[in-house]
Amino acid sequence: DQQVKQNSPSLSVQEGRISILNCDYTNSMFDYFLWYKKYPAEGPTFLISISSIKDKNEDGRFTVFLNKSAKHLSLHIVPSQPGDSAVYFCAAILPSGTYKYIFGTGTRLKVLA
Amino acid sequence: NAGVTQTPKFRILKIGQSMTLQCAQDMNHNYMYWYRQDPGMGLKLIYYSVGAGITDKGEVPNGYNVSRSTTEDFPLRLELAAPSQTSVYFCASSTNGNGYTFGSGTRLTVV
Repeated sequence: DQQVKQNSPSLSVQEGRISILNCDYTNSMFDYFLWYKKYPAEGPTFLISISSIKDKNEDGRFTVFLNKSAKHLSLHIVPSQPGDSAVYFCAAILPSGTYKYIFGTGTRLKVLA
Repeated sequence: NAGVTQTPKFRILKIGQSMTLQCAQDMNHNYMYWYRQDPGMGLKLIYYSVGAGITDKGEVPNGYNVSRSTTEDFPLRLELAAPSQTSVYFCASSTNGNGYTFGSGTRLTVV
């Protein structure tokens, strides 16, 4: 039972355009969401997060949107750069105090120069 | 500041062999985790620890054991390795839940 889903395994975008990565979840009790970026042969690195009490969080070129009624979040990257080419994972956490994240399956973003 | 250090980076095991994947962090984080990542899949939680002396099972604990005798170290033990344990293993740590710090991973192949 996949509680966090990323239905697009891959995405290609031209440099300078917007990249939109999507993530759906099934558990309405999740109270915190994060995006991680992963390059080959490296561990994932934290990118941006959002609390369930917000609907938007912005950090430079990266913006995460949360639609709780649709149980959907998205990551927007504007403008996209070739260095953004990586696998992006969304993750969600329950308010259990143990900070156990549930990860999606990832979306491979390729930004074309 | 090394962050989270995992050793070894690569290992090939024969079926039935055992090994320990090492994980150490130097950030004084209380929370530590072991995940595995299979091709086309997300990261699945194997075991986690909320502090020295305290460990608990995650989503896929079968075939693995852990210990947490110090805040810094969180080794993962594989007993009787099986082909299904071929995966990339990531250790992570956290202090406040606002993002993990991951190690660079251990790529394990069981043949």
